[in-house]
Formats: sequence, structure tokens, C-alpha cells
Amino acid sequence: SQQGEEDPQALSIQEGENATMNCSYKTSINNLQWYRQNSGRGLVHLILIRSNEREKHSGRLRVTLDTSKKSSSLLITASRAADTASYFCATDTGGGNKLTFGTGTQLKVEL
Amino acid sequence: DAGVIQSPRHEVTEMGQEVTLRCKPISGHDYLFWYRQTMMRGLELLIYFNNNVPIDDSGMPEDRFSAKMPNASFSTLKIQPSEPRDSAVYFCASSLYGGGYEQYFGPGTRLTVT
Repeated sequence: SQQGEEDPQALSIQEGENATMNCSYKTSINNLQWYRQNSGRGLVHLILIRSNEREKHSGRLRVTLDTSKKSSSLLITASRAADTASYFCATDTGGGNKLTFGTGTQLKVEL
Repeated sequence: DAGVIQSPRHEVTEMGQEVTLRCKPISGHDYLFWYRQTMMRGLELLIYFNNNVPIDDSGMPEDRFSAKMPNASFSTLKIQPSEPRDSAVYFCASSLYGGGYEQYFGPGTRLTVT
């Protein structure tokens, strides 16, 4: 099964609302990353949080990490139609310089 | 920098044919990754290279798949012979310091095997 699983699988909100998506993982990690994928495009890195960090901000993005619960959340504030995309968490477990990607959350922001 | 470049962007081929996907990583990046994305399996790591050397190919599904990196600016993923279940989007990504750091993805190659 996937190392990272996002919840919910799909999310639909109105422009201006906040969007929260969660990621759970199974094994201990060195860091956790969030990526965005627009339809038909490659993934784009959003933010990286290390295992010794609890919260990180980047513009309208806020990421939290709870290593005791093996979970992370991505909050997008004041969403825009352009935020419509799939969002993936990816974990580095230290097992050889590679990332394991989760199943993704499809976010739709409606005008 | 132009980012990670992949070619072709779309490939349609018949079962049994050989398919070669190409990737040019970002200059100076020491790590190169090949992924496959499908609705059923999500994003899977197939193989990755460090300084042109294959490090982990445990994700390569079968012997029909092979990958090479003859130099720091070019890699290929070959499928021979191709099968309909190989239909997917194949991504190449590169990273400066390794998988635990930010990866830069190419636009992908959409492969359809009929």
C-alpha cells in the first residue's frame, strides 16, 4: 500500500474559502514534501517540512507535521480558481534518496 | 534554465513495438528519476540515477523495461516489447541533492499502446 495517503480524495470549494488536505504515512521520515499537479502537467514542488519542524508557511500555504501521529496537513488560504489541481504529499524515509508519493487530493475551486 | 525536458510528449504505438522515452535533466542536477503515473497505481518510482549510475531499479516492472544514462544531460527509458498495460504518463524528474530534496519534474510523456 502507499506510504502516503491523502484525505480527502476530492475536495470542492468556493473561491475565497480555505482548503485543507491531509496526508498520513506509515514509517518514520526525514522530511515530507507537498507537490501540486495541474491537469496534464508535471508535478511542481510547493513546500518541504523536516521531521524536526512542526509548522511551515509559504505565501498562502501552511503545512503542519505531527510525527507522533504520522500525519501532515496542507492548508491553502483564500483559495483561487487557479489553485484547482491535484495535491500530493511525498515522504523521504531515508531509504536511499528517493521519495514515495501519496495518492493525491483533487481540489476544485469554483468561482 | 529550461527545466527538465522530455520527448516525445505523446506516443502512440502498437503492441509489440519498441518505445524509447527521452529526458534531459536540469544542468548540474546529480539525481535523475523516472516515474510512471496511472489512475490505478498513482505515481510510481521506476528507477533513479546518481551521477549517471543506476542506484535503485526495484520499481522497474519487468525485464521489458530498461533505462540508461550515458551522460549527465541525457537519459532514456526503453520498453521492448510494449504492451497495452504499459499505457501511462511517464515522468522524468531531477534533483540537485537527492530524493530527499526538491524534485523538478518534466512535462511527461503520455504513452498509449494499442
